[in-house]
Amino acid sequence: GQSLEQPSEVTAVEGAIVQINCTYQTSGFYGLSWYQQHDGGAPTFLSYNALDGLEETGRFSSFLSRSDSYGYLLLQELQMKDSASYFCAASNQAGTALIFGKGTTLSVSS
Amino acid sequence: KAGVTQTPRYLIKTRGQQVTLSCSPISGHRSVSWYQQTPGQGLQFLFEYFSETQRNKGNFPGRFSGRQFSNSRSEMNVSTLELGDSALYLCASSVLPSGSSADTQYFGPGTRLTVL
Repeated sequence: GQSLEQPSEVTAVEGAIVQINCTYQTSGFYGLSWYQQHDGGAPTFLSYNALDGLEETGRFSSFLSRSDSYGYLLLQELQMKDSASYFCAASNQAGTALIFGKGTTLSVSS
Repeated sequence: KAGVTQTPRYLIKTRGQQVTLSCSPISGHRSVSWYQQTPGQGLQFLFEYFSETQRNKGNFPGRFSGRQFSNSRSEMNVSTLELGDSALYLCASSVLPSGSSADTQYFGPGTRLTVL
């Protein structure tokens, strides 16, 4: 079947760096997207990787390796407001997320 | 620029009824996608519409249907509601560029449907 696996929970302290991994098994996969969702809120798009390598957007970076069916989201200089759920998703060519991982709950403490 | 809007925000229905949810995309966005989010199953893709045509469909029964109007507004309908249909229903819009690069999806706040 098609699936994306990511850790269920990650904890870190303010100022630290955290990496959320995502391994996938999907067909018709074009790119890997990442979303952030705060409790009670809607998902917010963070990044999209169609090509292997690293994409950097401010404090957030995302990486994709197609040969390893693996990607990760890297969050640097963690802040309390980064406490949220993070989802990886297999997306089609237009960036529409089609299959989601179960989400990783990130808890940032002071 | 106004964001994606969804109506209603909250809805309570009983088993067997049907429901219609509405989504207005960001002005200029032509693609609308629908998702179901539940604690057990997480986020699941329902369908995607572009220029009034369904482009992609997730693995949901035929009770779930949708459509898109010429102004890009979209509706989804769930018939013969079941308890398991209780969920947050999210829609997302994007521009869909003419090229091959992906575009950002912007999510609405969702409609919280409770089936009793």
